[in-house]
Amino acid sequence: AQSVTQLDSQVPVFEEAPVELRCNYSSSVSVYLFWYVQYPNQGLQLLLKYLSGSTLVKGINGFEAEFNKSQTSFHLRKPSVHISDTAEYFCAVRIVEADKLIFGTGTRLQVFP
Amino acid sequence: DAGVIQSPRHEVTEMGQEVTLRCKLISGHNSLFWYRQTMMRGLELLIYFNNNVPIDDSGMPEDRFSAKMPNASFSTLKIQPSEPRDSAVYFCASSPLTPSGTIYFGEGSWLTVV
Repeated sequence: AQSVTQLDSQVPVFEEAPVELRCNYSSSVSVYLFWYVQYPNQGLQLLLKYLSGSTLVKGINGFEAEFNKSQTSFHLRKPSVHISDTAEYFCAVRIVEADKLIFGTGTRLQVFP
Repeated sequence: DAGVIQSPRHEVTEMGQEVTLRCKLISGHNSLFWYRQTMMRGLELLIYFNNNVPIDDSGMPEDRFSAKMPNASFSTLKIQPSEPRDSAVYFCASSPLTPSGTIYFGEGSWLTVV
């Protein structure tokens, strides 16, 4: 079975500082990896996804993530955060031969001025 | 193109009442997912359909919950009878019929059962 672990439930950071949100997955088969963002009282919006090819994936709003197969990780990074990045961030995995998208428990990013 | 459309956005109902949540898929999408989000359990996949056929309903909590796709573009999630522990945000999502396809979420239906 597949699973996703987001190691940090909350990440506080000051504006313009870099941030990394950690995600590790477990799967015995090939997977696709996703990061979604959820702003307050809204649905989930895709930030970026890794399907194949280059392990460094760039997404919207200046975010990027790196797929590391040996460490089964897909950490999300941004070199300089803004107040508007305050939101819940979800890592998710979908196995290549199936349809289900399995989510991690989420990381709340709180950006302070 | 319009995104995934859910209704109602907010509902407050009394315990024991029937609740029906509705979802319209993005045109051309073949897969439909229902998720539930709570503080305690996070995002849980309740059920998903491919081409109107339920593929996996192992996440449906109990027999009080049922989901249907009467046609290719529309789905309902019904709770009968509702209980306070059903209070949550229910998300509908759709995607093309390929695992590499992006899953697009609706804005959610915020259910409170009192």
